Amino acid sequence: EAGVTQFPSHSVIEKGQTVTLRCDPISGHDNLYWYRRVMGKEIKFLLHFVKESKQDESGMPNNRFLAERTGGTYSTLKVQPAELEDSGVYFCASSQEGGVSYNEQFFGPGTRLTVL
Amino acid sequence: AQSVSQHNHHVILSEAASLELGCNYSYGGTVNLFWYVQYPGQHLQLLLKYFSGDPLVKGIKGFEAEFIKSKFSFNLRKPSVQWSDTAEYFCAVVSYNTDKLIFGTGTRLQVFP
Repeated sequence: EAGVTQFPSHSVIEKGQTVTLRCDPISGHDNLYWYRRVMGKEIKFLLHFVKESKQDESGMPNNRFLAERTGGTYSTLKVQPAELEDSGVYFCASSQEGGVSYNEQFFGPGTRLTVL
Repeated sequence: AQSVSQHNHHVILSEAASLELGCNYSYGGTVNLFWYVQYPGQHLQLLLKYFSGDPLVKGIKGFEAEFIKSKFSFNLRKPSVQWSDTAEYFCAVVSYNTDKLIFGTGTRLQVFP
């Protein structure tokens, strides 16, 4: 069974540019989560999809971040325009129906974003 | 707001030494507790979890953790570490009314042969 995949693995962009990160969850997993780890800090929750609906987006830093999950399969996270403080590793995770309280979250390898 | 504290940021041990990594959380209600591990170049993966029942939880690769409710702690232990345990370890908590993991800052463990 394929795990959670993320693309790209690394992205280096200049301040003001746009970047789109993609996450493909494990097939059949209704729950999809985005997290971010800024260097030296904790991994922080960004948002949670259940199928195509945003269940919780309380962790999204500001309106420069836009997450979508059309059709309830893969998800994209767009940062527009990118700022220096957006640099970090963006993780995606998925779990089966029922949410993390009952099912393990499986993580992808992360996308390392560097904004210059 | 819920938070998780990991007091050891970087731990260096020799093989066969015993390990204990501290984790404290701040939340008064019912929680689920996790330890995740990230080996060099690999994904975050679940090491062990506590949902209910026996507060001493056994995970993969000989790791265990003890939930002490009165101390809001969930410390990770291993009696004898191996070089292959070199990794970063993250404690995390989820409360019943949310689905999001709240992580600590992580502990980098280096084990020397």
